[in-house]
Amino acid sequence: GAGVSQTPSNKVTEKGKYVELRCDPISGHTALYWYRQSLGQGPEFLIYFQGTGAADDSGLPNDRFFAVRPEGSVSTLKIQRTERGDSAVYLCASSLSGGFTDTQYFGPGTRLTVL
Amino acid sequence: AQSVTQLDSHVSVSEGTPVLLRCNYSSSYSPSLFWYVQHPNKGLQLLLKYTSAATLVKGINGFEAEFKKSETSFHLTKPSAHMSDAAEYFCVVSDTSGTYKYIFGTGTRLKVLA
Repeated sequence: GAGVSQTPSNKVTEKGKYVELRCDPISGHTALYWYRQSLGQGPEFLIYFQGTGAADDSGLPNDRFFAVRPEGSVSTLKIQRTERGDSAVYLCASSLSGGFTDTQYFGPGTRLTVL
Repeated sequence: AQSVTQLDSHVSVSEGTPVLLRCNYSSSYSPSLFWYVQHPNKGLQLLLKYTSAATLVKGINGFEAEFKKSETSFHLTKPSAHMSDAAEYFCVVSDTSGTYKYIFGTGTRLKVLA
């Protein structure tokens, strides 16, 4: 079956611009996660959705970052007034129910470059 | 709070020799632990996971890991390395604070020499 998909695969933008990154999870998965992976580092948690609601947004670095999942499926990560430090690979993952032993399935990521 | 420490940032082995990638964890509760592999420009792929069943966990592509509570370790091994094993490997613990988000180690880059 289809895995997690993310679009675009690459995004180049200028400092100060607004960007949207999209994640399409595995069908039927209620849990959706966003992570950010900087060069040479392990992914770091940003936000977790259970259904339509953001159950944990403690990883969002500041209020320029926002994410939605209005129908409990596709999610969009939105970054306002981008900064060069936002350059990273943004990963999306989904799992069946968000349980402790659930496996998270990752998408290929969106590489964001802020010039 | 949960955390994982990957003890080696880089490991080099010759093709056909054993692989050992080390991971230590810290957790207040019985943890869920995972190993993921990331090939260049590819997504993260699950190799194996431990969820309090058997302490020796077998994964894909001949990898296995042993959960040792007394040593708080979850090292990844493979008897014989293949060129295609060259990649970045991440040890992961599932957070127990309620949302079960993943906490990743800093990764180990495995190089396989011909």
